[in-house]
Amino acid sequence: AQSVTQLDSQVPVFEEAPVELRCNYSSSVSVYLFWYVQYPNQGLQLLLKYLSGSTLVKGINGFEAEFNKSQTSFHLRKPSVHISDTAEYFCAVSGIGGAQKLVFGQGTRLTINP
Amino acid sequence: DGGITQSPKYLFRKEGQNVTLSCEQNLNHDAMYWYRQDPGQGLRLIYYSQIVNDFQKGDIAEGYSVSREKKESFPLTVTSAQKNPTAFYLCASKVGSGNIQYFGAGTRLSVL
Repeated sequence: AQSVTQLDSQVPVFEEAPVELRCNYSSSVSVYLFWYVQYPNQGLQLLLKYLSGSTLVKGINGFEAEFNKSQTSFHLRKPSVHISDTAEYFCAVSGIGGAQKLVFGQGTRLTINP
Repeated sequence: DGGITQSPKYLFRKEGQNVTLSCEQNLNHDAMYWYRQDPGQGLRLIYYSQIVNDFQKGDIAEGYSVSREKKESFPLTVTSAQKNPTAFYLCASKVGSGNIQYFGAGTRLSVL
């Protein structure tokens, strides 16, 4: 079974500052990793994914994440945030294989201040 | 326009009543999922279906039921046995082996 821990429940930053949202996972098998974003009263939108290959993954809206197998982490970063990035961000993990379930972290609320 | 449609957007349940949330997809995805979202708890899996006419319980299936009679449709019924149904419900579907799930816009269920 897999589990995910998002280390910060809330992250406030100023506009145009860099941000890092932290995610650690636990698994006894190889994994797929995901970051989703949720705007208020909406569904989840896929930001980026790690399935295999390069450990640095680039996604939409200028976000990127790095898979670190030794530290079991998949932190999300953006070099310069905008007001429109205000949202809740979820890290998720699954084992490899089509029947594996997706396990979500508890979410990090990112607030951008002008 | 391909996607996942959830309806209604808002739903109110009276005590002792069963209510059904609709989830329809035109993405031709085989697998579909229902999640419950409560503040500060992330998403928890209620039921999932890998193929038509087959479904499995997730982590919090008690008080819920589903059916999968058509590939496009995966309705969720919140029964009167679910004593705390107030939550945001999200439906998702998946294509391929990479376990990439796509989500609908959600239904917010409240108790009157």
